[in-house]
Amino acid sequence: DAKTTQPNSMESNEEEPVHLPCNHSTISGTDYIHWYRQLPSQGPEYVIHGLTSNVNNRMASLAIAEDRKSSTLILHRATLRDAAVYYCILPSKGNQFYFGTGTSLTVIP
Amino acid sequence: GAVVSQHPSWVICKSGTSVKIECRSLDFQATTMFWYRQFPKQSLMLMATSNEGSKATYEQGVEKDKFLINHASLTLSTLTVTSAHPEDSSFYICSATGGARYEKLFFGSGTQLSVL
Repeated sequence: DAKTTQPNSMESNEEEPVHLPCNHSTISGTDYIHWYRQLPSQGPEYVIHGLTSNVNNRMASLAIAEDRKSSTLILHRATLRDAAVYYCILPSKGNQFYFGTGTSLTVIP
Repeated sequence: GAVVSQHPSWVICKSGTSVKIECRSLDFQATTMFWYRQFPKQSLMLMATSNEGSKATYEQGVEKDKFLINHASLTLSTLTVTSAHPEDSSFYICSATGGARYEKLFFGSGTQLSVL
C-alpha cells in the first residue's frame, strides 16, 4: 500500500491562499488521493478526493502532479475556521483508510 | 453531505464495566464501517473494518474479544468495549462508506470514553 508524507505543520495568514503538499511517490495507477481534516475534539471531515485530474469543490481544490507522485490541497482564502489537521490518505487495496500524522495548519489573524 | 451519527458523545464508566458505542449512517447505506481510536495529540489509529453481515477484520494488536464490533445492518454498527480499564480511555471515532475505493468516508463526531 502506498504511503504519504506531509509536513508536520504550516502557517498561513487569514484571507490568503494555502497550499498543503503531500508526497506519495509509491502511488499506483488505481490509488485515489483523499484529503480529510480534523478540527479539535471532532471527528474528521471530508475535504476532497481525486484520481488523476485536478478537482475543485466548494471547500478546496486538489492539484495532482502529472506523474501522480505528489498532490497539493489548495485552500483559496484561509479563514480561522480552517485551522485543523489535514490528512492526505491513499486508501489501501482493501479500502482501509490509514491516517498518518497529517499537517497541522495554523491560521494567523 | 451524508450524515453519520455517533452516540454517546462522551461516557464515563467504572473499571470492569462494558460500554457500547453506536454509529448510524442516517441517509445512505454503509456497506463498510471503520472504527478508530485516537489518543490526545496523536493521529487516528484504525482498529477494525466492518462489512455489513460479516465479521469485523481487526488490525494487528487490537484485541477482538475486548473490542466487539457488530455491523448487523447497512445503517448501524456498534463497538462494545468489554471490561473497560483506564488504559482504554480514548476518543473513539466511527466512519462509514459505500465501500468502493473511490468513495469518500463520512465520520461520526466521536465518543470520548473515560474509564475510572
